[in-house]
Amino acid sequence: AQSVTQPDIHITVSEGASLELRCNYSYGATPYLFWYVQSPGQGLQLLLKYFSGDTLVQGIKGFEAEFKRSQSSFNLRKPSVHWSDAAEYFCALSLVTASKLTFGTGTRLQVTL
Amino acid sequence: EPEVTQTPSHQVTQMGQEVILRCVPISNHLYFYWYRQILGQKVEFLVSFYNNEISEKSEIFDDQFSVERPDGSNFTLKIRSTKLEDSAMYFCASRTDTEAFFGQGTRLTVV
Repeated sequence: AQSVTQPDIHITVSEGASLELRCNYSYGATPYLFWYVQSPGQGLQLLLKYFSGDTLVQGIKGFEAEFKRSQSSFNLRKPSVHWSDAAEYFCALSLVTASKLTFGTGTRLQVTL
Repeated sequence: EPEVTQTPSHQVTQMGQEVILRCVPISNHLYFYWYRQILGQKVEFLVSFYNNEISEKSEIFDDQFSVERPDGSNFTLKIRSTKLEDSAMYFCASRTDTEAFFGQGTRLTVV
């Protein structure tokens, strides 16, 4: 069965510092990959997605992610973090379009001023 | 911007009671989902719904759970006899082929 692993439960960065959140997946082929953000008390908002093509994808709020097939990874990056980026970040995959999402356990990002 | 709407935002119920969680998906979407997130844990898939029937369900989605799209706009999740372990945030989602849109969630507390 497919799975998503987010090895970092909690990350703290200073405002203005760069950020990388790790995501690894397990599946026999290339799935569709997503990053979602959940602010406290809020729903899940899509940051970006990868279906095929260019392995570096741009998303909202200045985030980007790079798909690396050889490492089965889809890490999320941001060059300069803002205090408002503090939230929980979930990596997810689906096997085909419109199918269910399988989520990782999430990474809680704390931003210090 | 169209959005998925869930009501209520928070519901407290006694163990053994029935609850109905309501969702209004985005109007032109065809695929609908319920997920849940137990506090501190990951978001888990419960059920998917397409063309007025369940297309897939997880092991969690046992006989206590049911879904319905009664009137072409609402999409409901019913839990017949709630247990303490049903306490969680329940998210409704609707999607196009490429993107899933989530509601704000209903926090269900079973006491």
